[in-house]
Amino acid sequence: QSVLTQPPSASGTPGQRVTISCSGSSSNIGSNYVYWYQQLPGTAPKLLIYRNNQRPSGVPDRFSGSKSGTSASLAISGLRSEDEADYYCAAWDDSLRGVFGGGTKLTVL
Amino acid sequence: EVQLVESGGGLIQPGGSLRLSCAASGFTVSSNYMSWVRQAPGKGLEWVSVIYSGGSTYYADSVKGRFTISRDNSKNTLYLQMNSLRAEDTAVYYCARASPWGLPQDYWGQGTLVTVSS
Repeated sequence: QSVLTQPPSASGTPGQRVTISCSGSSSNIGSNYVYWYQQLPGTAPKLLIYRNNQRPSGVPDRFSGSKSGTSASLAISGLRSEDEADYYCAAWDDSLRGVFGGGTKLTVL
Repeated sequence: EVQLVESGGGLIQPGGSLRLSCAASGFTVSSNYMSWVRQAPGKGLEWVSVIYSGGSTYYADSVKGRFTISRDNSKNTLYLQMNSLRAEDTAVYYCARASPWGLPQDYWGQGTLVTVSS
């Protein structure tokens, strides 16, 4: 049981816009930054979004993050086949630990 | 070029100990925040621990009292000492440079597999 709640799966067709939600509480998302990671099969995770909505260099602007209250979202526009991966949200918790969501498997139909 | 290379994983019996290493190049471990994250087979990511540049350390409840994060500045290497290992500790362990908010960020290692089984 993960502290942050994500839908286990999401899907979309090429070119479509999809969003992945991440729900937490006042002690994590509600009071700290949200991070998003992409994990392609058989590889280490990759930072996609940091500090709620900031993109590291090299991450396409098709990826965007937002936060409102105790929830956050990752949006992917112009969906491409190479976006098929697992996506995880994470946040620091005021109990002095990091917490992850359970992950969302994105399928490009 | 920045690189993180983990080592030390393997098969260990329940109750045993193992030390994972994460050798860094291209940046200084002691000047950065460094973290460990693990992933059980077929499961999601789990945050394990972080060490701040000032030396403060934090742990997940699941490993507190059993795991110790540390670093060797002379070797530019991060460690995770794992004691009293349990079957549920079986996972791929990743080291990563962390943000000031304790979460892994831009640089990750390739991961090392720890299997706890008799």
